[in-house]
Amino acid sequence: AQSVAQPEDQVNVAEGNPLTVKCTYSVSGNPYLFWYVQYPNRGLQFLLKYITGDNLVKGSYGFEAEFNKSQTSFHLKKPSALVSDSALYFCAVSPNFGNEKLTFGTGTRLTIIP
Amino acid sequence: EPEVTQTPSHQVTQMGQEVILRCVPISNHLYFYWYRQILGQKVEFLVSFYNNEISEKSEIFDDQFSVERPDGSNFTLKIRSTKLEDSAMYFCASSQPRSYTFGSGTRLTVV
Repeated sequence: AQSVAQPEDQVNVAEGNPLTVKCTYSVSGNPYLFWYVQYPNRGLQFLLKYITGDNLVKGSYGFEAEFNKSQTSFHLKKPSALVSDSALYFCAVSPNFGNEKLTFGTGTRLTIIP
Repeated sequence: EPEVTQTPSHQVTQMGQEVILRCVPISNHLYFYWYRQILGQKVEFLVSFYNNEISEKSEIFDDQFSVERPDGSNFTLKIRSTKLEDSAMYFCASSQPRSYTFGSGTRLTVV
């Protein structure tokens, strides 16, 4: 069975500073990895995914994530945080892309401090 | 960009009542899912549906829940005799190989 760990419930970053939201995973076979963002009282908004290829994946709103197979990690990053990045971030994994469920982490609340 | 559409966006129901949450998946997708998120918490898998039958379900998906694809386009989640703890955001998703899309969710409030 697959699982995802987001070790930080809360991350606070000053505006303009780089941000990292951590995610590690466990899955049999090749992982398919996703990041979603959720703003208050809203749905899940897709940010980026890793399927295969380059370990550095670029997504929406200037976010990127680095796939590290040896560390089984898929940390979300952004070089310069904006106040509008404040939201709840979820990492998710699937052993297949497109025909199996996603397993989500518990979420990390990111707060950008002006 | 094709979308997964969910209706209603918000539903309030009395405890013990039945509710049906509706979803229109992307037309060429073959796999359908329901997920649940209790307010501000983890997104949890409920059930997946393929070829007109349930392919996988979680422990949460007990006899109180059922899914149906009544007309080839809609995908519904029925909750019989709702409980207070069923209050949550319910997300529908659909997929095909290399494409996975969530709807915007239905917020269910049981009072």
